[in-house]
Amino acid sequence: QSVLTQPPSVSATPGQKVTISCSGSSSNIGNNFVSWYQQLPGTAPKLLIYDDNKRPSGIPGRFSGSKSGTSATLGITGLQTGDEADYYCVSWDSSLSAVLFGGGTKLTVL
Amino acid sequence: EVQLVESGGGLVEPGGSLRLSCAASGFTFSSYPMNWVRQAPGKGLKWVSSITSSSSLIYYADSVKGRFTISRDNAKNSLFLQMNNLRAEDTAVYYCARGIPAAGDFHSWGPGTLVTVSS
Repeated sequence: QSVLTQPPSVSATPGQKVTISCSGSSSNIGNNFVSWYQQLPGTAPKLLIYDDNKRPSGIPGRFSGSKSGTSATLGITGLQTGDEADYYCVSWDSSLSAVLFGGGTKLTVL
Repeated sequence: EVQLVESGGGLVEPGGSLRLSCAASGFTFSSYPMNWVRQAPGKGLKWVSSITSSSSLIYYADSVKGRFTISRDNAKNSLFLQMNNLRAEDTAVYYCARGIPAAGDFHSWGPGTLVTVSS
């Protein structure tokens, strides 16, 4: 069981917007940065969002990150079938001195 | 272009040992912290271990502490993971990733190497 809690799955239709939540605590999300990763089937994860809301070069503006208190949210607008993937939130936990991954959320684009 | 390539995976019996390597290129390896992350078949990503650029700080997940040892050779642009006393639950694809663990941002990943622990 992950200390960072994500919904197991979300779904939406092409063109719509979807959000994926990540809930933690004051020892992780509440006081440390959050990153988000996309993992397409059979491939290595790819960084989508870092430092709560920054996008690496090459990541489209359709992907956004936000944080409030001990929760973070990944937003994806203009959904495409190619966005079907597993998405993970990540944060450092200061009490555990450990990197925490959320359990992952499977996005289905119907 | 940043490249990370893992090697050393394979089939090993419970209680056995394996040493993973990660060859880095395309960046100044000695300037970056490095990490190992694993993914059991059909499961989510789990952090394993991190090491700072100078090896001054090292972190481990509780599940591998005392059994796994992370190290690096900056002269050879290489990261290592020595895995001892392997268990069935260590079966996973192991990825090396470049990035700052305290920020959780792993900007670059290798394709992974599969470790299977089975008799």
